[in-house]
Amino acid sequence: GAVVSQHPSRVICKSGTSVKIECRSLDFQATTMFWYRQFPKQSLMLMATSNEGSKATYEQGVEKDKFLINHASLTLSTLTVTSAHPEDSSFYICSARDTSSYNEQFFGPGTRLTVL
Amino acid sequence: QKEVEQDPGPLSVPEGAIVSLNCTYSNSAFQYFMWYRQYSRKGPELLMYTYSSGNKEDGRFTAQVDKSSKYISLFIRDSQPSDSATYLCAMSETGGGADGLTFGKGTHLIIQP
Repeated sequence: GAVVSQHPSRVICKSGTSVKIECRSLDFQATTMFWYRQFPKQSLMLMATSNEGSKATYEQGVEKDKFLINHASLTLSTLTVTSAHPEDSSFYICSARDTSSYNEQFFGPGTRLTVL
Repeated sequence: QKEVEQDPGPLSVPEGAIVSLNCTYSNSAFQYFMWYRQYSRKGPELLMYTYSSGNKEDGRFTAQVDKSSKYISLFIRDSQPSDSATYLCAMSETGGGADGLTFGKGTHLIIQP
């Protein structure tokens, strides 16, 4: 199957700083990528849909100015958590849509963000 | 009422048993149904993908969808300790991976050797 990577896998930062998370499709091109957030013992919750070359679409309740998404190429989408606070601590997972594989979504391994 | 309900478990069964995992949902527009397996601190891995109602079998795994009852199931036959993981159901209104998915909380499954 197709491979999606995320970097970093784990990050700890101080409150008020910004953190960038990268999502890459390694062996396929992804016009669409998705960002999810998963709190402990909770579902993966869709945050936003990222389309290459256009603005991201955010789910209701997700602040677009706080969670900046850039999908500058067909293999890379980035999520920047701006002015992070402890309540932003979570597991962030991206998925990428492979149009050559029945449009299946492949998930990255996730990034665990801890804000002190 | 949440869109997708899934018992978080844990569900513990002996090796070799048949495992039944279930989800219920409220959105009648969901047409595509998926089961993912997630190991601790890893991303979800797709196990089964079905469209509309019916059954689908793949090796030891069988997925069932009953849209009239808004109920989906995943059966695992001859369960193995390596099947121990969290199983997530997911759904979408459109196929083709065009939309983000709506997930259940996941059921933590433990297969005892």
